[in-house]
Amino acid sequence: GESVGLHLPTLSVQEGDNSIINCAYSNSASDYFIWYKQESGKGPQFIIDIRSNMDKRQGQRVTVLLNKTVKHLSLQIAATQPGDSAVYFCAEVPLGGTSYGKLTFGQGTILTVHP
Amino acid sequence: DTGVSQDPRHKITKRGQNVTFRCDPISEHNRLYWYRQTLGQGPEFLTYFQNEAQLEKSRLLSDRFSAERPKGSFSTLEIQRTEQGDSAMYLCASSTTGTPNEQFFGPGTRLTVL
Repeated sequence: GESVGLHLPTLSVQEGDNSIINCAYSNSASDYFIWYKQESGKGPQFIIDIRSNMDKRQGQRVTVLLNKTVKHLSLQIAATQPGDSAVYFCAEVPLGGTSYGKLTFGQGTILTVHP
Repeated sequence: DTGVSQDPRHKITKRGQNVTFRCDPISEHNRLYWYRQTLGQGPEFLTYFQNEAQLEKSRLLSDRFSAERPKGSFSTLEIQRTEQGDSAMYLCASSTTGTPNEQFFGPGTRLTVL
């Protein structure tokens, strides 16, 4: 079936560096793409989303880029801090049809930030 | 705290026993979702409610699973005759109807079936 996946399972960076986490998706019908952060023992925390008709969206220290041509999504974290260490999931959601509102998650990337 | 809450946070049970989990969504959210997450994987959709109506159930949700949201507020997820394969984190999320892209998750209930 359709799925959302990640290229890299782990990413290690130094504090202060910029981090880029990538995701490939296959469902062109998705309306939103979302990034979640999950710390050990906690539920996923919403970071930022982007609608399918956009290419870029910026938040606080984070930027999400969407390339629909190659079905690629990325999350850029500026000036990465130790508190950013977590597992990052991309997810997609359609806003129509029988799958309305159902999140489909990728496998996750473990981000480790070294002081 | 006005976020999504779940109870209990951890549950250890023996195979064959029944378990019930509770989720309290964000108060103004009329949509409530249940997901299951196994180690190293992303959450997988189980079912969701629009107010008190259960609108969809995943094929992952066998007949041993049942979910309710009787008054359109909190929800319960019951697993009957638990199996070791049911061991997972059970996550609840909520959103408004118009913004299902903004689902906010609770801390989850970690189920271990011995």
